[in-house]
Amino acid sequence: QQQVKQSPQSLIVQKGGIPIINCAYENTAFDYFPWYQQFPGKGPALLIAIRPDVSEKKEGRFTISFNKSAKQFSLHIMDSQPGDSATYFCAATYNTDKLIFGTGTRLQVFP
Amino acid sequence: DGGITQSPKYLFRKEGQNVTLSCEQNLNHDAMYWYRQDPGQGLRLIYYSQIVNDFQKGDIAEGYSVSREKKESFPLTVTSAQKNPTAFYLCASRSKGFTEAFFGQGTRLTVV
Repeated sequence: QQQVKQSPQSLIVQKGGIPIINCAYENTAFDYFPWYQQFPGKGPALLIAIRPDVSEKKEGRFTISFNKSAKQFSLHIMDSQPGDSATYFCAATYNTDKLIFGTGTRLQVFP
Repeated sequence: DGGITQSPKYLFRKEGQNVTLSCEQNLNHDAMYWYRQDPGQGLRLIYYSQIVNDFQKGDIAEGYSVSREKKESFPLTVTSAQKNPTAFYLCASRSKGFTEAFFGQGTRLTVV
């Protein structure tokens, strides 16, 4: 019930492509769903986040789509660039309780 | 500057020794977290604390201990009972509500 399942494990796209990373959860008490970006040897940093009362949120080239009935959410990266190559984690939490992460997706964007 | 600081960045430990990883934040955040990161396994929660003098076990607490005597500090001790301690350890903090978690730069622990 506390898990967040993330797929795919790795993703390779060409510059300009639109990689999509998917996550699913079971616990309906979760009410905050952030995405984090991590570069090698660094701590993760918040990319974008959504609450379940919104079906889509866009910030720059990053978009979260949220399907509350299916308990799924996904990250889309528009016009991907080589600098977007990193590991992406979805997460879920409620209030200041456990912040549960997915297993991560390693994205490589080739020129 | 406001932020969350982990030290040291690299740590080497002999088998059978306990070691303590430091995590300090000056963001006035209520909650603090410790995660372990292994290649291909994402971030696994070790312990978390929502308030001073209180903390809860995460998914992989065995072989670890923590304390939260001050709001700013949440040290993690890796004990000799932890069978496979070599990993990248990340500390995070956040406020109440729908807020982002800020991460430190991590400590890479190697058992030699």
